[in-house]
Amino acid sequence: QVQLQESGPGLVKPSETLSLNCSVSGYFISNGYYWGWIRQSPGKGLEWIGSIYVSGNTYYNPSLKSRVTISVDTSKNQFSLKLTSLTAADTAVYYCARANGHCDSSTCYNWFDPWGQGALVTVSS
Amino acid sequence: EIVMTQSPATLSVSPGERATLSCRASQSITNLAWYQQKFGQAPRLLIYGASTRATGIPARFSGSGSGTEFTLTISSLQSEDFAVYYCQQYNNWPRTFGQGTRLEIK
Repeated sequence: QVQLQESGPGLVKPSETLSLNCSVSGYFISNGYYWGWIRQSPGKGLEWIGSIYVSGNTYYNPSLKSRVTISVDTSKNQFSLKLTSLTAADTAVYYCARANGHCDSSTCYNWFDPWGQGALVTVSS
Repeated sequence: EIVMTQSPATLSVSPGERATLSCRASQSITNLAWYQQKFGQAPRLLIYGASTRATGIPARFSGSGSGTEFTLTISSLQSEDFAVYYCQQYNNWPRTFGQGTRLEIK
């Protein structure tokens, strides 16, 4: 079955850049699907960060768009998140997930399944 | 951005009883998912397309609704069902989640 695993630093300093990877097993990313990043701040709800297709087509949350880059590396069967200019408000558990669903001629409609176990990222000096 | 509002914030129900969780969208949608999250775990997909159970999800979980009003019903609560539940719309970008309903043991 498809499994996802996040990896990256647990502690990052304010103003620095966060880099996280999501390794996928049980499915080749090059075969398709959108893949996404979602975060959850301590004690709070879920916030979608962005999604990417194997072609490189991306969608980002407008609230984060100026600071976010999501990329895919089919040779490593993984996709990545970069978030710049970090502040304490970016402290959260970061999840990667496969975006299942369907697309029509204009857009795609995706729910998230499965999810990785999550990576806690703390922004602090 | 479509705002998703869940109610109640906390629901106290006894094991074996029925639980009804609500999710309201700020505009009409057709594409809605429900997730269950237990403490320290990632969310798990329960329902997509407003009413289709995901693979392996027990039949006691059912989703209904249309337009702006949606409901997740758990027909007979088991001990493992006490968790936080989130709805998510995937009609429009950005994808948005509700703030969650905590289902606790009464």
